[in-house]
Amino acid sequence: NAGVTQTPKFQVLKTGQSMTLQCAQDMNHEYMSWYRQDPGMGLRLIHYSVGAGITDQGEVPNGYNVSRSTTEDFPLRLLSAAPSQTSVYFCASSYSWAAPNSPLHFGNGTRLTVT
Amino acid sequence: AQTVTQSQPEMSVQEAETVTLSCTYDTSESDYYLFWYKQPPSRQMILVIRQEAYKQQNATENRFSVNFQKAAKSFSLKISDSQLGDAAMYFCAYRSADNNNDMRFGAGTRLTVKP
Repeated sequence: NAGVTQTPKFQVLKTGQSMTLQCAQDMNHEYMSWYRQDPGMGLRLIHYSVGAGITDQGEVPNGYNVSRSTTEDFPLRLLSAAPSQTSVYFCASSYSWAAPNSPLHFGNGTRLTVT
Repeated sequence: AQTVTQSQPEMSVQEAETVTLSCTYDTSESDYYLFWYKQPPSRQMILVIRQEAYKQQNATENRFSVNFQKAAKSFSLKISDSQLGDAAMYFCAYRSADNNNDMRFGAGTRLTVKP
């Protein structure tokens, strides 16, 4: 059971470059989300999706795009990377957005550095 | 918006002893869910324990238990018989029952376990 799989684990970008962080889950979870983790700030929600074809913004969406064409995949796109986007990114999923007591299952994270 | 505060950036405990990590939150809602997540050096986020606000009984999971004080908006985590493997960052998280697409995290507490 792979759970939530994120790729890559590490990435270095130059300012202005674009890239996509991949996230896939094999648990048939409705809800998927992207968080960024910065020192002293915990995790902050970037974007989320409650099902295929449905996405919405979280707390810190600027500079990021998402799409959800299938239940399994939820990629995060950085269109023009900035040093402020240097962070650790986590993809997470849960069984149903309508069940708030269901825990989030996290991927192993991607450490992104923008120079 | 709800906020979650973890006032202890770092804590240490002697192996086999007991330690309590603090968490407070700010909300005007009556129905919500609280979680503790553990992040070891591997970076993987692991659910430790969860509590439904409508339940008065404190949740327990083996050596982990919580002290949930709804009126005080406090949700502390007690780790009994601490083990070396408990060393990690611990995050407290809040999830609304009404707006359950957003889980709010505290800044985290780094726990060190001394042999």
